[in-house]
Amino acid sequence: KQEVTQIPAALSVPEGENLVLNCSFTDSAIYNLQWFRQDPGKGLTSLLLIQSSQREQTSGRLNASLDKSSGRSTLYIAASQPGDSATYLCAVMYNQGGKLIFGQGTELSVKP
Amino acid sequence: GAVVSQHPSRVICKSGTSVKIECRSLDFQATTMFWYRQFPKQSLMLMATSNEGSKATYEQGVEKDKFLINHASLTLSTLTVTSAHPEDSSFYICSARDYRVGNRETQYFGPGTRLLVL
Repeated sequence: KQEVTQIPAALSVPEGENLVLNCSFTDSAIYNLQWFRQDPGKGLTSLLLIQSSQREQTSGRLNASLDKSSGRSTLYIAASQPGDSATYLCAVMYNQGGKLIFGQGTELSVKP
Repeated sequence: GAVVSQHPSRVICKSGTSVKIECRSLDFQATTMFWYRQFPKQSLMLMATSNEGSKATYEQGVEKDKFLINHASLTLSTLTVTSAHPEDSSFYICSARDYRVGNRETQYFGPGTRLLVL
């Protein structure tokens, strides 16, 4: 069964800290992996998409890495800010145009 | 980026009534739309894949007669929760795939609809 797991489920850090969110997937034959942000009661915003042939993607203070062989991805957030507080979801796609399989998310709280 | 809207954003209904949720792609055509359900503190679970002009494909365990999906145009898909019960209370999110060149792998998500069945 293809499953996606995220740890930790929740994380609270003081402003300014660098942090890492983890995502693991049971079937390593992914097509791509995507990180999303979800604010309370809202939809999803795509942050980074990594193709299976790529090792990492960067956008501003965010860096996502992918290690297919070990079935893992990390989302690194540098110099965290209170505005980063949200739930971060990782999702994998196994076929081009296929469905997304989501992890349970990590609820991040950045304290001022 | 592309925009997907949902209507209504929030709905409260009595048990036994039917509720229709609309999902629209505002600035692109979406031959495929997806419907997800999210319970509190849980992740998104795909309910069905909606293809324009054809029947939706439902995930295992999702009742097709209870969750009716219609994708009548390239910019609109609707989800109707028939005879809703309190256990159907959830956050329903749609997404639409942008098939324009260079965007075929991208799904754009709507803002979600909060359904509360009393």
